[in-house]
Amino acid sequence: GESVGLHLPTLSVQEGDNSIINCAYSNSASDYFIWYKQESGKGPQFIIDIRSNMDKRQGQRVTVLLNKTVKHLSLQIAATQPGDSAVYFCAENIRGGGNKLTFGTGTQLKVEL
Amino acid sequence: NAGVTQTPKFRILKIGQSMTLQCTQDMNHNYMYWYRQDPGMGLKLIYYSVGAGITDKGEVPNGYNVSRSTTEDFPLRLELAAPSQTSVYFCASKGTSGDYEQYFGPGTRLTVT
Repeated sequence: GESVGLHLPTLSVQEGDNSIINCAYSNSASDYFIWYKQESGKGPQFIIDIRSNMDKRQGQRVTVLLNKTVKHLSLQIAATQPGDSAVYFCAENIRGGGNKLTFGTGTQLKVEL
Repeated sequence: NAGVTQTPKFRILKIGQSMTLQCTQDMNHNYMYWYRQDPGMGLKLIYYSVGAGITDKGEVPNGYNVSRSTTEDFPLRLELAAPSQTSVYFCASKGTSGDYEQYFGPGTRLTVT
């Protein structure tokens, strides 16, 4: 079946650099996307979301870009800090899918000092 | 608000034993969800509920049961524990506003030996 997946399982960046985490999706009926951050031993925590009628959304140090043509979204973290070290998941809501999110596998972000 | 709370935090079961994982939310959310997360993997939906008295199967329901007698509580029951059910279990809830963000509990780490 269709699913959300991530390109890179592990991403290592230097402190202060920008991080880009990618996510591919395959369902054309996906109308909403969320990025979650999961620190070790904790539950997923909301970072930012974007609807399918948008191309870009910015938060504090984070930006999500959505390219519907190639069914790809990315999470950009500016000036990455040690506290950003975590696993990042993208999740999609499929229109008509009953308020259920489909989660990708996740990308481990490691921030090197 | 405490948000979503889960008990216990950790549990070790022997094969064939049964147990109930508790989940409570104090946000008056109609939607509640149970996920399991295997090591290095994303979240898989076990069961979900759109309101008190209504439950439905997710992606991986076999070996589990749920009930939703109140808006606040959504317990997950394992009747005959198997090693394949060793995982971290997350409960989540969502309101009925226009977004799809789910709020997660801290998780229950279950080991079946």
